Amino acid sequence: TQLLEQSPQFLSIQEGENLTVYCNSSSVFSSLQWYRQEPGEGPVLLVTVVTGGEVKKLKRLTFQFGDARKDSSLHITAAQPGDTGLYLCAGAKTSYDKVIFGPGTSLSVIP
Amino acid sequence: NAGVTQTPKFQVLKTGQSMTLQCAQDMNHEYMSWYRQDPGMGLRLIHYSVGAGITDQGEVPNGYNVSRSTTEDFPLRLLSAAPSQTSVYFCASSYSGFSYEQYFGPGTRLTVT
Repeated sequence: TQLLEQSPQFLSIQEGENLTVYCNSSSVFSSLQWYRQEPGEGPVLLVTVVTGGEVKKLKRLTFQFGDARKDSSLHITAAQPGDTGLYLCAGAKTSYDKVIFGPGTSLSVIP
Repeated sequence: NAGVTQTPKFQVLKTGQSMTLQCAQDMNHEYMSWYRQDPGMGLRLIHYSVGAGITDQGEVPNGYNVSRSTTEDFPLRLLSAAPSQTSVYFCASSYSGFSYEQYFGPGTRLTVT
């Protein structure tokens, strides 16, 4: 059983569309992270959220941490082919605890 | 800085063989981890270390050993390879806690026949 669930598992959209991917758990996390991974490479950190209800924006990407600190979402506005990749959420129960990853959402943006 | 380096990049083993996957970082990070990535499973934590001389088990430690004799190196040993260990292995390091940014190596793709 995965501690972190992500949905959808796969997403294929046209360039210019908006999308949201979700990361959910029944457990409370002190922080959640979002990573992006391209084929043949290791994941790269996009953002860390630590406060319930927190919203962070990174250009066209908007990240939200749920009020109860059990879930998070990533919204991409006007998706571009360069956004294609595997989006992974990861969480830690405490600041210095090990990090557990979700299974990922594979995004394909078609030109 | 080279960041996190892993060797080899590709490896094919026969069932029962042993080998060591190497991981090194030059960022003076205390925290290091080993993950395996399988399709649809994300990254699963194998073993981790919070500093030289200290290691602990993650989610899927069976069949793997680690040691941390220096801050820079964190090798992963497969004791007796099995086909179920066919996977892509990533090493990662972070400065002062896993919830801080983890820097990942390029991965080792291992096939066990």
